[in-house]
Amino acid sequence: DTGVSQDPRHKITKRGQNVTFRCDPISEHNRLYWYRQTLGQGPEFLTYFQNEAQLEKSRLLSDRFSAERPKGSFSTLEIQRTEQGDSAMYLCASSTYDEQFFGPGTRLTVL
Amino acid sequence: GNSVTQMEGPVTLSEEAFLTINCTYTATGYPSLFWYVQYPGEGLQLLLKATKADDKGSNKGFEATYRKETTSFHLEKGSVQVSDSAVYFCALSGGDSGYALNFGKGTSLLVTP
Repeated sequence: DTGVSQDPRHKITKRGQNVTFRCDPISEHNRLYWYRQTLGQGPEFLTYFQNEAQLEKSRLLSDRFSAERPKGSFSTLEIQRTEQGDSAMYLCASSTYDEQFFGPGTRLTVL
Repeated sequence: GNSVTQMEGPVTLSEEAFLTINCTYTATGYPSLFWYVQYPGEGLQLLLKATKADDKGSNKGFEATYRKETTSFHLEKGSVQVSDSAVYFCALSGGDSGYALNFGKGTSLLVTP
């Protein structure tokens, strides 16, 4: 399978804990995006990388959130001191131009 | 800033009925427009796109035309099937959004036999 993969698929954590998600994009794609989707809503943009450079960050990305893409391949999204409001599906997408291909998402539940 | 508004669901249709899901947008510059589909239990998939005014995107019997004069990108299909039951998202990128996709809230479609 050469699509976008995300790990883990599900994460349950307690409020105040830190969590980290991984995204592996399609190998030839230089652009990588993170989105968050809550129930009944469309995905909301969080951040965007071109190669290893983080070029755009949404105001939704509070200082508890950090994303990296070392070496311009896989990416990680870390949430520190999780809150119940962080419960959502976290989606990763990659592209070479304007067509973004999405992974299956990581569903985060904060208890 | 950029935004997308799409009709609220759920939409329930009988098999072989005609489908229209309305989508309008607000954007500066010249955005690209997309329809994504999310089937039950699956990830988002690109259904079709259009990158400039009057372009028509089409795929799997679905069509949408980029109308700059009405700032619209309505999704249509002449005869829906039960397998089309899914959530449909209209989205745009470009202009103020840069490369990020700006999505509507989604429209749930249920097709009954």
